[in-house]
Amino acid sequence: KAGVTQTPRYLIKTRGQQVTLSCSPISGHRSVSWYQQTPGQGLQFLFEYFSETQRNKGNFPGRFSGRQFSNSRSEMNVSTLELGDSALYLCASSLYVGKATDTQYFGPGTRLTVL
Amino acid sequence: SQELEQSPQSLIVQEGKNLTINCTSSKTLYGLYWYKQKYGEGLIFLMMLQKGGEEKSHEKITAKLDEKKQQSSLHITASQPSHAGIYLCGARTEGSSNTGKLIFGQGTTLQVKP
Repeated sequence: KAGVTQTPRYLIKTRGQQVTLSCSPISGHRSVSWYQQTPGQGLQFLFEYFSETQRNKGNFPGRFSGRQFSNSRSEMNVSTLELGDSALYLCASSLYVGKATDTQYFGPGTRLTVL
Repeated sequence: SQELEQSPQSLIVQEGKNLTINCTSSKTLYGLYWYKQKYGEGLIFLMMLQKGGEEKSHEKITAKLDEKKQQSSLHITASQPSHAGIYLCGARTEGSSNTGKLIFGQGTTLQVKP
């Protein structure tokens, strides 16, 4: 089975712009979670989608949003980019949501640089 | 303070040596995951532990979960340069036990000197 794929792998944007990142989960997985990784804050949960519905949201401003399509593919959007949004954005997929034994498998990430 | 504390933050060992990385939670654990990351890349799943006393092994890596202490350890036997990378523990804790939200430790950077 193919793993989690994320596109693009690298992005450079300027402050004030907006960006859309894409994630394709492992075939058959219905849950997609997004994380932001920075040197200072480490890995932080952004949000989680299951069956096209946002199930959980982390502590991020409203500029961060996402959606999930009927084929489980997910996108996240960041509007009005700030320098502090520079980070590695990781997507993870799992079979279900909320099952304690459910393992999340991560994609390679999208490296976003905001200038 | 961090909800999941990893120690040590970094480790340099000679090839062939054994090492242990610890992960301690300030809250009750509902599933503990170990991942490995090469700098700037995605996380590779290593093992998942759920029950107290559980121990799992994969090749030369063994992970244990001490539910009472809310702690997990990752032990590498006879380290090799291929073991180098960042090791991250992630967990579902109180408040996120029935969600897909994982809390992560800050990571342990391992260097293995040939």
